[in-house]
Amino acid sequence: EAGVVQSPRYKIIEKKQPVAFWCNPISGHNTLYWYLQNLGQGPELLIRYENEEAVDDSQLPKDRFSAERLKGVDSTLKIQPAELGDSAVYLCASSLEGGNTEAFFGQGTRLTVV
Amino acid sequence: SQQGEEDPQALSIQEGENATMNCSYKTSINNLQWYRQNSGRGLVHLILIRSNEREKHSGRLRVTLDTSKKSSSLLITASRAADTASYFCATDANPGAGSYQLTFGKGTKLSVIP
Repeated sequence: EAGVVQSPRYKIIEKKQPVAFWCNPISGHNTLYWYLQNLGQGPELLIRYENEEAVDDSQLPKDRFSAERLKGVDSTLKIQPAELGDSAVYLCASSLEGGNTEAFFGQGTRLTVV
Repeated sequence: SQQGEEDPQALSIQEGENATMNCSYKTSINNLQWYRQNSGRGLVHLILIRSNEREKHSGRLRVTLDTSKKSSSLLITASRAADTASYFCATDANPGAGSYQLTFGKGTKLSVIP
């Protein structure tokens, strides 16, 4: 069975440009997370979906970040416009039932904003 | 915000020795999970311990949970060079609200010297 698939693996963009990340969770997993991870730090939650509903987006900088999970399957995270401070690894994870079950992580997208 | 706090931040040991990492958290939980992250990779789930459990084993891993002290420990016995990684604890931060969010600590960086 395929794990959580993220693309692209790496992205380099100039500041003020838009960027989008894609995530395909494990089939049947209702919960989908987007995390941001800075070097040497733990993952920080950006948004959590239960099926197609965003149930926790309090940490998402809504002025420039947006996310969607159409049909409750794959998801897209967008930044527009990107800032230098957005350089980080963006991780997607999925689980059967939120934090009550183990989460499976993708390899992440390493974003560099120059 | 990060719910868990791992200790120590970094740990260096010789191959064959045991490694112990600790995690403290702030609010009540349904469960606590430990994850491993190799450099440049996504996180891998190691073990989940529920709030009504005190100890759990998986291969060379032993996890304890003390809900009265809001703390957990991860013991890796007979360490190997391949165990070199960062280790994170994660908790569900809002169990009372029925919201199964998964919140991570900052991690312990373990180096096992051959």
